[in-house]
Amino acid sequence: NAGVTQTPKFRILKIGQSMTLQCAQDMNHNYMYWYRQDPGMGLKLIYYSVGAGITDKGEVPNGYNVSRSTTEDFPLRLELAAPSQTSVYFCASRGPRQFFGPGTRLTVL
Amino acid sequence: KNQVEQSPQSLIILEGKNCTLQCNYTVSPFSNLRWYKQDTGRGPVSLTIMTFSENTKSNGRYTATLDADTKQSSLHITASQLSDSASYICVVSAQVGAAGNKLTFGGGTRVLVKP
Repeated sequence: NAGVTQTPKFRILKIGQSMTLQCAQDMNHNYMYWYRQDPGMGLKLIYYSVGAGITDKGEVPNGYNVSRSTTEDFPLRLELAAPSQTSVYFCASRGPRQFFGPGTRLTVL
Repeated sequence: KNQVEQSPQSLIILEGKNCTLQCNYTVSPFSNLRWYKQDTGRGPVSLTIMTFSENTKSNGRYTATLDADTKQSSLHITASQLSDSASYICVVSAQVGAAGNKLTFGGGTRVLVKP
């Protein structure tokens, strides 16, 4: 199993640009999550999904959108990037245990 | 409001020494408590997970304790190694509706092991 994979690893965006952070898992987990981690802070939940076709907002969903068309994939969409979205983004999936991806470091200038 | 507080924020220890990290939480309804290790530039990796009825759990040189009455947990690192340098994150899970478990993350303790 590859576990949870994320792409890209790094990205620099200009204000107002859009992008999609990719996340995939091969463990057949129903639950998937997107978190952001700001320096020195705990992870904050952006969106989560309890299965294909079902998504819901977490603590900090503003400025983001998600979709879950398959069990394996859970992309996170930023439509109009803002400097406040500069952060490290972690995708995770959960079966009996929760597994995190390696993260995507995003800088918005 | 669910909160997880960790202390200290950071510490430096000499290789071979022991250290203990603290985690206090106000999360309900409590489901489980997890400790993660996060190396710089990597995602968190699970070390231990404890439910309400478990007082202690070990994973190699890492031993976690849980006192559900006082809502405190600790992570003890024995005979530290340079590879233990990382952030250690306490995460408390609350059992909620469709989300299954809602996780509240502590801010982490950054550990630096020096030779």
